[in-house]
Amino acid sequence: RKEVEQDPGPFNVPEGATVAFNCTYSNSASQSFFWYRQDCRKEPKLLMSVYSSGNEDGRFTAQLNRASQYISLLIRDSKLSDSATFVCTGSQGNLIFGKGTKLSVKP
Amino acid sequence: GAGVSQSPSNKVTEKGKDVELRCDPISGHTALYWYRQSLGQGLEFLIYFQGNSAPDKSGLPSDRFSAERTGGSVSTLTIQRTQQEDSAVYLCASSLGQAYNEQFFGPGTRLTVL
Repeated sequence: RKEVEQDPGPFNVPEGATVAFNCTYSNSASQSFFWYRQDCRKEPKLLMSVYSSGNEDGRFTAQLNRASQYISLLIRDSKLSDSATFVCTGSQGNLIFGKGTKLSVKP
Repeated sequence: GAGVSQSPSNKVTEKGKDVELRCDPISGHTALYWYRQSLGQGLEFLIYFQGNSAPDKSGLPSDRFSAERTGGSVSTLTIQRTQQEDSAVYLCASSLGQAYNEQFFGPGTRLTVL
């Protein structure tokens, strides 16, 4: 089983839609969870950390479910500029990156 | 600048030549990582430094790949006798303290082997 798994997508959604991504991790001892955003031909940029109690940053909400070993990212009121690949992490010593989920927001 | 920097931004080389890629991490970041990313693919971990030591070099794909870090700062990734399959973007990241802290990425070096 892969250490961090994500649905590669693409998720094609209209502007204004709400979209959610899940990411499962295999190491129950994972300590750190983050969501990164990667635009085409750019480096990954940290979007937000994921805390046990869940956390929100504007239109973005991240949650952690330790019992089922997954993290989620919810994007409300999608914008065209949200089109990107979203990459989650678990950890096993170092951060382990998923392969990313591609989001395309259409007008 | 405050971020991770990498040089060169682009490198075109001929098969069989050696290349050196450089990474300058965020000042004070003790951990440094090298990744490789092929077009449309995820990040492939290569090597991790804590200070000048490399406790995890498990991702280096062959003995043609090596990396070093000096002074707890700048790191160099060297690829000897490059092959066409080495063509990819090589990304460097750094983090503060523990290995599981958030990583900050440089802009990458796009390597093309002809």
